[in-house]
Amino acid sequence: AQSVTQLDSQVPVFEEAPVELRCNYSSSVSVYLFWYVQYPNQGLQLLLKYLSGSTLVKGINGFEAEFNKSQTSFHLRKPSVHISDTAEYFCAVSSTGGFKTIFGAGTRLFVKA
Amino acid sequence: KAGVTQTPRYLIKTRGQQVTLSCSPISGHRSVSWYQQTPGQGLQFLFEYFSETQRNKGNFPGRFSGRQFSNSRSEMNVSTLELGDSALYLCASSLAPATQETQYFGPGTRLLVL
Repeated sequence: AQSVTQLDSQVPVFEEAPVELRCNYSSSVSVYLFWYVQYPNQGLQLLLKYLSGSTLVKGINGFEAEFNKSQTSFHLRKPSVHISDTAEYFCAVSSTGGFKTIFGAGTRLFVKA
Repeated sequence: KAGVTQTPRYLIKTRGQQVTLSCSPISGHRSVSWYQQTPGQGLQFLFEYFSETQRNKGNFPGRFSGRQFSNSRSEMNVSTLELGDSALYLCASSLAPATQETQYFGPGTRLLVL
């Protein structure tokens, strides 16, 4: 069975500071990994995804994530955040041959001026 | 291209009633997944439909059911509503089964059960 753990439920950070949102997963087979963002009163939208190849994945809005197979992690990073990055971020995993995507509980990012 | 649309956006029901939620995927997308989002549980997978067939179902009671039509539109039904069914119900569409595809989410239907 697969599972996803987002280690921080809330992350406050000042504007223009770097941020890392942590995600660990558990799976006995090869995985596909995703980060989605949800702005208030909206659905989720894809930030980036890892399917194969380079372990460093670049996404929209200046975000990037690194797939670390040995540590079963897929942490999301941004070198300098903006107020507009305030949202909830979800890490998700699915597997080769699997039938569903499992989402983490989410991390609320608060960017303060 | 129009995004995923969900109707209605808001719904208030009382315990014991039933409800039907609708989802229209992006044109050309054949896969539709449904999720329940609550503050305590995050996103919980309900089921996925691809080409009118249910591919997988999450750990929800039989009161939760769905279907997909030939035009890929999907409906979700919840019978005998309980207070705990109050949640945001999200629909997501993708070109193919969602395993490695990007899912495009609708804005959700917020259901309140009184």
